[in-house]
Amino acid sequence: NAGVMQNPRHLVRRRGQEARLRCSPMKGHSHVYWYRQLPEEGLKFMVYLQKENIIDESGMPKERFSAEFPKEGPSILRIQQVVRGDSAAYFCASSLLGQSSGNTIYFGEGSWLTVV
Amino acid sequence: EDKVVQSPLSLVVHEGDTVTLNCSYEVTNFRSLLWYKQEKKAPTFLFMLTSSGIEKKSGRLSSILDKKELFSILNITATQTGDSAIYLCAVHITQGGSEKLVFGKGMKLTVNP
Repeated sequence: NAGVMQNPRHLVRRRGQEARLRCSPMKGHSHVYWYRQLPEEGLKFMVYLQKENIIDESGMPKERFSAEFPKEGPSILRIQQVVRGDSAAYFCASSLLGQSSGNTIYFGEGSWLTVV
Repeated sequence: EDKVVQSPLSLVVHEGDTVTLNCSYEVTNFRSLLWYKQEKKAPTFLFMLTSSGIEKKSGRLSSILDKKELFSILNITATQTGDSAIYLCAVHITQGGSEKLVFGKGMKLTVNP
């Protein structure tokens, strides 16, 4: 039973390029969350998605960032025109029915983005 | 603004020592408090606490929640070098139709042989 799978694990982009991070939730999980961890900081909530729906994107910057979780395929976090301040670890997490149903949330191993 | 504060932010101990990690919170719509261990990769789940005063134990680790004073502690007894990691405290909150985890900054524990 594979866990939450994220790829790429490490990504280097030049300023102005696009970064695309993928997350495959645990089998059967339909709730996906993205968190960002800046150096020396805790994880910060970015966005909460269910299949084909964005439930809450209040933690995501209004510009350059977007997320989707299509009916088929992984969830994608897309960062356009990256800047140095986007360098961080991006963690995806999933749960079966959402934590409010008492389900545990499981984290992937993260995607480390470095902008040069 | 919802916030979670961990203390201390870093700690260096020797093998065999006992450590206590603190986590206080101020949030609306509290659902539960969670502890994670992070070793340069995925945060791994340790405990979820929802009720005050009930200690959860797993081997040398234990944790308890005080919902009146709004804090939790994580204890590690007889520490080993493998306990070296960042320990994250997070509070699960709900907002409207959404839910999220609010994390503290983490506590970096170093256990020296």
